[in-house]
Amino acid sequence: DADVTQTPRNRITKTGKRIMLECSQTKGHDRMYWYRQDPGLGLRLIYYSFDVKDINKGEISDGYSVSRQAQAKFSLSLESAIPNQTALYFCATSDLSAGVEDTQYFGPGTRLTVL
Amino acid sequence: RKEVEQDPGPFNVPEGATVAFNCTYSNSASQSFFWYRQDCRKEPKLLMSVYSSGNEDGRFTAQLNRASQYISLLIRDSKLSDSATYLCVVNRAQAGTALIFGKGTTLSVSS
Repeated sequence: DADVTQTPRNRITKTGKRIMLECSQTKGHDRMYWYRQDPGLGLRLIYYSFDVKDINKGEISDGYSVSRQAQAKFSLSLESAIPNQTALYFCATSDLSAGVEDTQYFGPGTRLTVL
Repeated sequence: RKEVEQDPGPFNVPEGATVAFNCTYSNSASQSFFWYRQDCRKEPKLLMSVYSSGNEDGRFTAQLNRASQYISLLIRDSKLSDSATYLCVVNRAQAGTALIFGKGTTLSVSS
């Protein structure tokens, strides 16, 4: 089984709908992240969480919210989806090594289309 | 200056060629450096960490130049399966922040 899973893998929705993307991990990591990727723009950080009680905004958090339900689960919500939120969304996890940010492990991604 | 900059390419090379990618970063206090590989529509995966002394993994060699704030990746004897986008990744070196991903360099290896 994959260490980082995302559901759904693909989703088509309409403008104004509320959407939740879910991420689960079995790596036992405290740190979890949500990114979106658009052609030519690379990975952009939406939100990140360093433990269950810690939530931080990334560079493009407007229009998104998150919930860290447990160490292993981190959900991303689009309260009212709009077409420019059409993108590939990745969840990732990491841990610290000697106090320094270590490798991030990514889920397989969710392809979201907002019509 | 952007936090992490890469030449987007694409680099088009024949099988067997040697190709080098470069990356510069702006934060001199950064401590962790990585190269990730991303295949089309797939998730990024760690290719290798980059250590101060340089490191090699088979056909892949990574180098770090802290004075110039420069990281490189050398691929020798390119294979068709090396075709992918290569992401340069650096940590922000500030407590409580995350890794910074470059936009990637695309490599296409042809027969």
